[in-house]
This record gives sequence, structure tokens and C-alpha cells, in this order.
Amino acid sequence: TQLLEQSPQFLSIQEGENLTVYCNSSSVFSSLQWYRQEPGEGPVLLVTVVTGGEVKKLKRLTFQFGDARKDSSLHITAAQPGDTGLYLCAGALEYGNKLVFGAGTILRVKS
Amino acid sequence: DSGVTQTPKHLITATGQRVTLRCSPRSGDLSVYWYQQSLDQGLQFLIQYYNGEERAKGNILERFSAQQFPDLHSELNLSSLELGDSALYFCASSALAPGTGGTEAFFGQGTRLTVV
Repeated sequence: TQLLEQSPQFLSIQEGENLTVYCNSSSVFSSLQWYRQEPGEGPVLLVTVVTGGEVKKLKRLTFQFGDARKDSSLHITAAQPGDTGLYLCAGALEYGNKLVFGAGTILRVKS
Repeated sequence: DSGVTQTPKHLITATGQRVTLRCSPRSGDLSVYWYQQSLDQGLQFLIQYYNGEERAKGNILERFSAQQFPDLHSELNLSSLELGDSALYFCASSALAPGTGGTEAFFGQGTRLTVV
């Protein structure tokens, strides 16, 4: 059983559409990160959220940390083919000693 | 370029063999994490070292071991290899000390291990 449940597992959308990826857990995290991974490469950090209720924006990407610090969401507005990739959420347990990852969401944006 | 270097990039070996994967963290980073990524298991945390000491353990098999050296590079040793050990092995490093909360990990490009 995954400590962090990510949904959906796969998402195939048209260019210009909006989408949301969810990351849920019953555990409380001291921080939560979102990463993007392309085939054959390591995950690349997009953002870190630390405070419950925090919202961060990175161009067309909006990240939200739940009030109880157990869940997070990633919203992409007007998706582009360049957004295609594997999106991973990761929660820090034990104050940074252990970073656990969700299984990931494979996003494909078609032009 | 994340600044984290992993070698080798690819490794093909036979069952029963032993291999060593190497990781050089970003300059100044004291924390090193090892992860295994396989198709059916996602990214699994194996172990973390901080400044030479083991700080957290995840789903690491007894056949696997790791260490971090005084120059902060780390090695992951995999022994008695089985077909199921075929996976991508990632190393990540972090500048933040355990206990600071906002852990941000920077990943290497991984070592693709194929056991035949």
C-alpha cells in the first residue's frame, strides 16, 4: 500500500485543457514536494510546500497543500505538449529524514 | 544538470552477482538518499545518509547495503542479484539537515540496472 496515493494514474488531454492531479495520505507531512520526471531522467523538483493551506504558483501550475498537511494538489491551466511527463508528489516524514513518493501521474498532452 | 552525479549510467549483470552503484552529491549537500524505481512499484525509498551516518531506512533488502564516505559520496551495494532487482536506482542529495522540515531533494540521472 502506497503511503501517498496519487490520482489519476494516467491522464491524456488535449492542448489547452485544464487538469488537476491529487496526492492524498492519512499521514501528516512536514513538507510536500512535487517533481516532474521525463523518461531516462531523474525527477526534477518543481515546488515545495510547507505550511498547511499554502498555495504556490509557478506560471501555469498551481500547487496547494491541505490545511492538515495530509494532501496536496497540482493544477495545470491551459496544458501544453511540453507539460507531458510523469508528475510525482513526495512527502517528508520524520522532519526530512524520509521522503516518500506517490506512484506518479503520467500526463500526456496532445497537440 | 542537478549537480548530482551517478555512475555507471547502465549496468547489465547476471543473477547472483554483486554490483556497486556510486553517487556524488551536489557540492555542500550532506544528505544522500537512495531510491529504486521499477515499473510496478514506483519510486521506493531505500535509505538515507547524513554526513556519513545512516539516518533513515526504507524498503531496503538485506542483500543491499549502502554507505557514505568522508568526502560525502555514497555507494549502494547490491548483492546476490535477482531478476526482480532490475530497476532504475536514483540517488538524491539535499542541503537541508534532517529536522528542518522543508526537505528538497535533487536527483541524479540514475543507474539502470538490468539483471539477466
